Amino acid sequence: DAKTTQPTSMDCAEGRAANLPCNHSTISGNEYVYWYRQIHSQGPQYIIHGLKNNETNEMASLIITEDRKSSTLILPHATLRDTAVYYCIVRVSPNAGGTSYGKLTFGQGTILTVHP
Amino acid sequence: NAGVTQTPKFQVLKTGQSMTLQCAQDMNHEYMSWYRQDPGMGLRLIHYSVGAGITDQGEVPNGYNVSRSTTEDFPLRLLSAAPSQTSVYFCASSYEAPGDNEKLFFGSGTQLSVL
Repeated sequence: DAKTTQPTSMDCAEGRAANLPCNHSTISGNEYVYWYRQIHSQGPQYIIHGLKNNETNEMASLIITEDRKSSTLILPHATLRDTAVYYCIVRVSPNAGGTSYGKLTFGQGTILTVHP
Repeated sequence: NAGVTQTPKFQVLKTGQSMTLQCAQDMNHEYMSWYRQDPGMGLRLIHYSVGAGITDQGEVPNGYNVSRSTTEDFPLRLLSAAPSQTSVYFCASSYEAPGDNEKLFFGSGTQLSVL
């Protein structure tokens, strides 16, 4: 099951910053936080990921709290094309048998609606 | 680069029929995986592979078989389709296992209906 908690939905005005929160209170020290988004009927698209430090790329910024128990994805100037479901993901830690190796579990995500 | 290519894009099956969903990537990625997505739900992992000849089960493996004979291809087989397998299927790949500082690349999906 997903190890993250996100709001079900959020709204944002076009041109404003969209701040999407995510709680991951049980995150382990070596687990990365990933963000993906899925625009209607398309395959998910990678946005950004980070371990401890804040990260920025051409799409977004990722702010991770010092205790790493939560993070925020920031879309600095949201457009209508940013309307999508946004997934915050933490890798499932491998169990003793190693069967969780390589798994990313997608939860319900946050439906972000950008309006004019 | 084509990235991750899935075929077919749409498929309708009758209950009990078999078929194979194809997935190919041209990025020399070691890790490949299959997800299914049902209306109103997130993506659920079916099977994954960390390299040629190595596969493992995800969250919802029942009713599906996979094999990985080459690095490029990771087909998903439905041996006896059931209406519960009506879903959108996504294939994804990455250079190494995701979560280890690797990002997933997804295909455009296969919409499967089982009548």
